[in-house]
Amino acid sequence: AQSVTQLDSQVPVFEEAPVELRCNYSSSVSVYLFWYVQYPNQGLQLLLKYLSGSTLVKGINGFEAEFNKSQTSFHLRKPSVHISDTAEYFCAVSWDTGRRALTFGSGTRLQVQP
Amino acid sequence: NAGVMQNPRHLVRRRGQEARLRCSPMKGHSHVYWYRQLPEEGLKFMVYLQKENIIDESGMPKERFSAEFPKEGPSILRIQQVVRGDSAAYFCASSPDIDGPKTEAFFGQGTRLTVV
Repeated sequence: AQSVTQLDSQVPVFEEAPVELRCNYSSSVSVYLFWYVQYPNQGLQLLLKYLSGSTLVKGINGFEAEFNKSQTSFHLRKPSVHISDTAEYFCAVSWDTGRRALTFGSGTRLQVQP
Repeated sequence: NAGVMQNPRHLVRRRGQEARLRCSPMKGHSHVYWYRQLPEEGLKFMVYLQKENIIDESGMPKERFSAEFPKEGPSILRIQQVVRGDSAAYFCASSPDIDGPKTEAFFGQGTRLTVV
């Protein structure tokens, strides 16, 4: 079965420190990869996406992610976090099987401390 | 261009009542998806609809849950005879009729259902 794994349920980090949120997926066909952010009691907002081309993708709010096909990973990074980045982050995958619906990881709660 | 609109934002139902959740997709979007988020968990796919058709309902519970997306009006997720375990946030997303699996989904703010 196709799956998405976010190994870290919580990541505490100090303000202005770098952060990496990990995402791995199962792969048997081409994939399309997304990172969404969810602020408390809000819906999901797209941070960035990888469809094809350059494996390093830049998104909003200073986030970037790198697609690594051999390791089936799509880790999210930010060189310097702010308090306002405190939120839940979800990795989502769509496989090139014609099925449009996204499969989500279980989420990583980023807690930025002063 | 308004985003995906869900209402109500909060819904309280007693056990055994019916819950109806509404979702108006973004203008020009003909694909609608429903997801459920249980407390402290990720989003689980429930159903994918296109106008008047259910395309994929592989994530829908077999009983008490149904969804529709009529030609006119919003998509409706209906839960009959609710139980405490149905308490969750229900998110609707929509996407345009292009690019298939590559298409970004735009999410509403969700309906938080509490069953008492």
